[in-house]
Amino acid sequence: DIQMTQSPSSLSASVGDRVTITCRASQGISTYLAWFQQKPGKAPKSLIYAASSLQSGVPSKFSGSGSGTDFSLTISSLQPEDFATYYCQQYHSYPPTFGGGTKVEIK
Amino acid sequence: QVQLQESGPGLVKPSETLSLTCVVSGGSISSSNWWSWVRQSPGKGLEWIGEVYHSGSTNYNPSLESRVTILIDNSNNQFSLILSSVTAADTAVYFCTRDRLTIFGAVSSFDIWGHGTMVTVSS
Repeated sequence: DIQMTQSPSSLSASVGDRVTITCRASQGISTYLAWFQQKPGKAPKSLIYAASSLQSGVPSKFSGSGSGTDFSLTISSLQPEDFATYYCQQYHSYPPTFGGGTKVEIK
Repeated sequence: QVQLQESGPGLVKPSETLSLTCVVSGGSISSSNWWSWVRQSPGKGLEWIGEVYHSGSTNYNPSLESRVTILIDNSNNQFSLILSSVTAADTAVYFCTRDRLTIFGAVSSFDIWGHGTMVTVSS
């Protein structure tokens, strides 16, 4: 299985901050990478697919980049509703696998 | 818009069989999408269990393949998960999802999720 490693596992940030989360794959996955946001007690919500394509309805403050093994998710200006846990997921090879998550907390 | 809703028992005894159903509304389960089950536990994070196509074709996570069956019921627009010989390690929130459209046979991501249902394995 392809291992997905996210960093940091948690971070504290203030409203208005620019935040970047990274995700590394254990082998090259081209751009077969998705990002999800999850709030407590809720299902994950799709944000980004194909490494940089924005899911319909997701605000443009979210952006994704990368290819091969190294990827990032950036939130341009953190708002109160963005405090959540973020997960990356590879879909290059079966079985699809997820990163361990990055929890974004209020500073 | 397409919505997914899981249902099933919240408590299952060790060694017994877990059965969950996901009803699809607002769209047809016979579309070109695959349909997956994903679970989330504190110990193992998010884990893909397997997927089914309207033809009945399936793909399973090798780590669970010996215990998993996913079935589809096109006439009732629903699909189901059957997990046998459960242990405490199977305690998790189980989500049903719609796989994003992609080339047939290719792995995909998940664009629509159900709310999830908590299943506890305990005697």
